[in-house]
Parts: sequence; C-alpha cells; structure tokens
Amino acid sequence: GAVVSQHPSWVICKSGTSVKIECRSLDFQATTMFWYRQFPKQSLMLMATSNEGSKATYEQGVEKDKFLINHASLTLSTLTVTSAHPEDSSFYICSASKSWGKRTEAFFGQGTRLTVV
Amino acid sequence: DQQVKQNSPSLSVQEGRISILNCDYTNSMFDYFLWYKKYPAEGPTFLISISSIKDKNEDGRFTVFLNKSAKHLSLHIVPSQPGDSAVYFCAASLSGNTGKLIFGQGTTLQVKP
Repeated sequence: GAVVSQHPSWVICKSGTSVKIECRSLDFQATTMFWYRQFPKQSLMLMATSNEGSKATYEQGVEKDKFLINHASLTLSTLTVTSAHPEDSSFYICSASKSWGKRTEAFFGQGTRLTVV
Repeated sequence: DQQVKQNSPSLSVQEGRISILNCDYTNSMFDYFLWYKKYPAEGPTFLISISSIKDKNEDGRFTVFLNKSAKHLSLHIVPSQPGDSAVYFCAASLSGNTGKLIFGQGTTLQVKP
C-alpha cells in the first residue's frame, strides 16, 4: 500500500500568525509531493510541486513568499502559510506519487482544514 | 480557464441502478485521466484511471470510458450502492505525471436505498 499522512487535520489560528502543515509518506519515499487547495464546493486547485532537496515549483497566481514549501527529506514536505489572513481559510491537501514499474499513482493525505480568525 | 470540467454538480440515483458521471476536458495534451472519490474533510481516494491510448478500463463495478475525439470521459458505476454516495472528481495529467493533476469541479453522487 501507500499511505500519506497530513498533520494537523484541522487548525484555527489568529490573523497574522503562521501555520505549518506537514505531509508525510509513511511507507514509501516520495521525491515529489504536491500541494492542493480546495474552497468549499469547488475543485482542488494545484498550488505547487514540492521537490525533495530543491525549490518548489509554484503554479501561476500562488504567492511563493506566502506559501512556503520545504521538502527536506524523501518522506516529508511542509507547507507554511505565513502571515495568515481570513481569506487563506481553506482545505489544504497534499499528495505524493508512487511508481510500480510503468504504473504511477498519486496518493492523497487526509487534508488540513485551516481557519484563520 | 477550467481545463477539466464536470458540468453536473450533483446526481441522484436509486440503489442498484447505474450511475454515470461525466467529465469534459479542453487540453488535447492530457494523456492520463483519473477518477477520485472524496468525502467531506478527507483527501481524495483513487478509484480508477485510463490512459489516452485506451477507450475503456474496467475494475469491478467501475468502468471508465474515454472518447478522445470528443474530449470526454465518463465513469459508470453499476450497480450503485448507498456507500457510493460521495463527491467524485475527474482529474487529468500530462505525460503520465499523475502527481500533478488538474481536477474538475466534482459531482456529488447520492445513491438512495
């Protein structure tokens, strides 16, 4: 199997503070992880690609200084929402790819509900 | 620019009947398509996928059909079960990079007992 775990599953923070979300691949190594964001009743929007040992690649419109991504090991990527504001409140989900020969599949974490008050 | 579209926000079917969820895409470079099931406050769970070189893939009660000329794919669930009630997302990727996915808006399926 392939398990991806996110922590915390939910967090409430005050406006102006920073919040760190962790994404771990528990039983496989992931050189690449992905961060998505979902607004209520909307699609999952890719925010960035997290590459182990190098800088993340951000999608157009995503502020890299606001959403800091660090992928320091093959099993851990972190997303830090800096100086959070109420409009950053959302559901954040990470995924990691695992390959078996020619087959590659993305496995998702359980998501983190961020509420900024 | 919504490259992957699920135009039906919701679908309701009776238990035992067929559920058909539709998805359209605009980027002809997409070469791998996936369907995910998602419950509220949880991450998506992979259901089934299809490569652009195929037009059908079947796995148990789930079948995905791909019509490349129409840039359309569909997920068939038969027979539908109440436990299938969830939000279903269609996703597409480029060059087999299934990590980087472009998602549709999702369709909420309700299967009534």
